Amino acid sequence: SSELTQDPAVSVALGQTVRITCQGDSLGRYYANWYQQKPGQAPVLVIYGKINRPSGIPDRFSGSSSGNKASLTITGAQAEDEADYYCNSRDYSGNYLVFGGGTKLTVL
Amino acid sequence: QVTLKESGPVLVKPTETLTLTCTVSGFSLTNGRESVSWIRQPPGKALEWLAHIFANDGKSYSASLKSRLTISKDTSKSQVVLTMTNMDPVDTGTYYCAHYVVDAILGHYYMDVWGKGTSVTVS
Repeated sequence: SSELTQDPAVSVALGQTVRITCQGDSLGRYYANWYQQKPGQAPVLVIYGKINRPSGIPDRFSGSSSGNKASLTITGAQAEDEADYYCNSRDYSGNYLVFGGGTKLTVL
Repeated sequence: QVTLKESGPVLVKPTETLTLTCTVSGFSLTNGRESVSWIRQPPGKALEWLAHIFANDGKSYSASLKSRLTISKDTSKSQVVLTMTNMDPVDTGTYYCAHYVVDAILGHYYMDVWGKGTSVTVS
């Protein structure tokens, strides 16, 4: 079982805003990272250190957190954003890394 | 430009030992802020972190798989090797290595570049 909990699936209408959440005790201690994975491809980092966006990632992707919950927001979702999204952080002890169970985003 | 490439057998038999190699370029395996992690993904399932190895040769393993995993590096070859013993069909999946950045001052720990992955079937 994962120490980070995500909703299995979320949908959003094209051009609308969607928030994907990740909850876990370790998020009160460590920052969350977010990865996008499209079918048959390796994951791509979209947010790190809670709010930072790697170069090349569109600014419609943003991160935030409050307490034990981290969120990835896509403002103005595009068809190409349809993918699985995984949160990741260290576990509460700081000794291991953990991933959430993933959220499948459908853009309608 | 940081790149990583996984290699290893496509098919292994139950009880055998899996050996995977990650060949890296664009960064040094002796740089204190950089590391290599291994992650796997069973078909249709979530990502699972397995292990990572640091520049100082420090290692960390998934608690649930620790008894079966060994990670090592050969800096002269720019390679990180992961072995997993006693393979089982449930270990079938895609195995990724990733560039793991450690910035303890800012509290940033993240995998910013991933290899394409290598598919392993246990049967």
